[in-house]
Amino acid sequence: QSALTQPPSASGSPGQSVTISCTGTSSDITNYKYVSWYQQYPGKAPKLMIYAVSKRPSGVPDRFSGSKSGNTASLTVSGLQAEDGADYYCSSYAGTNNFVVFGGGTTLTVL
Amino acid sequence: QVQLVESGGGMVQPGRSLRLSCEVAGFTFSSFGMHWVRQAPGKGLEWVAIISYDGSKKYYADSVKGRFTISRDNSKNTVYLQMNTLRAEDTAVYYCAKDFGWNDVAWYLQHWGQGTLVTVSS
Repeated sequence: QSALTQPPSASGSPGQSVTISCTGTSSDITNYKYVSWYQQYPGKAPKLMIYAVSKRPSGVPDRFSGSKSGNTASLTVSGLQAEDGADYYCSSYAGTNNFVVFGGGTTLTVL
Repeated sequence: QVQLVESGGGMVQPGRSLRLSCEVAGFTFSSFGMHWVRQAPGKGLEWVAIISYDGSKKYYADSVKGRFTISRDNSKNTVYLQMNTLRAEDTAVYYCAKDFGWNDVAWYLQHWGQGTLVTVSS
C-alpha cells in the first residue's frame, strides 16, 4: 500500500482539463514543500513534470500545473492532448523516517 | 545531454547478492545526490535509497535497510547499489536517478536512467 493516495484512473477529452489528486498526511505533504509529479509511459522511465509543488522543469509544457492545500497535492493538465495519456505519480519528502514516498499512480486516459 | 545508464541486473536466486551500477554523463556528477528507485512488475514506484553528492550521507527505505548498500565513485561517475540477501519481493526494474539539488539534496528526481530488471527466483 502506497504512502500517498491517488485515484487509479482519470480521463478527459482533448482540449479539456483534468486534475489528479494526491492525498498524504502530516508526515509528508502537509509539512513539506517537496512535492513532485512524474509522468511515465509504459516501458519507459519516469519523467519529472512538477517539483516544489508547482514549478515546472524546462521543457515541460505550461499546460501542466501543480498545487497543494493541506494534506492534498494536485496536478492539473489543461488543454489535454493525446500524448498526455500516461501514468502519473506524485511524490513527497516524508522526513527522516521514510525520506521519499510515492503515490500508487494514476492512469490518465485521453478519450 | 544528461545520460544515466544502469547495468548489472539479471536473475538471481533468493538469498544471493547482486550489484547494480549506474554510469552517468552530461553533468558534474560529484555535485549531485543520486537515488535508486524500483518498480515491481505492473506496480508503482518505490524509493530505495539516496547518497549525497560527496557520499557522506546515505539513507534507505525500511524495506531494504540492512540488506542494500548505496555507494558512489566520483572518479568513475558511477553510483552503485549492492543488494544482499535478496528476496522474491525485491523483483523489480531498478532505476537510478539524479537529484535536483546542487551540493544539497532537493528530494526531486530530475533525470532517470532506463532501468535494469532484477528478478529474484529459484
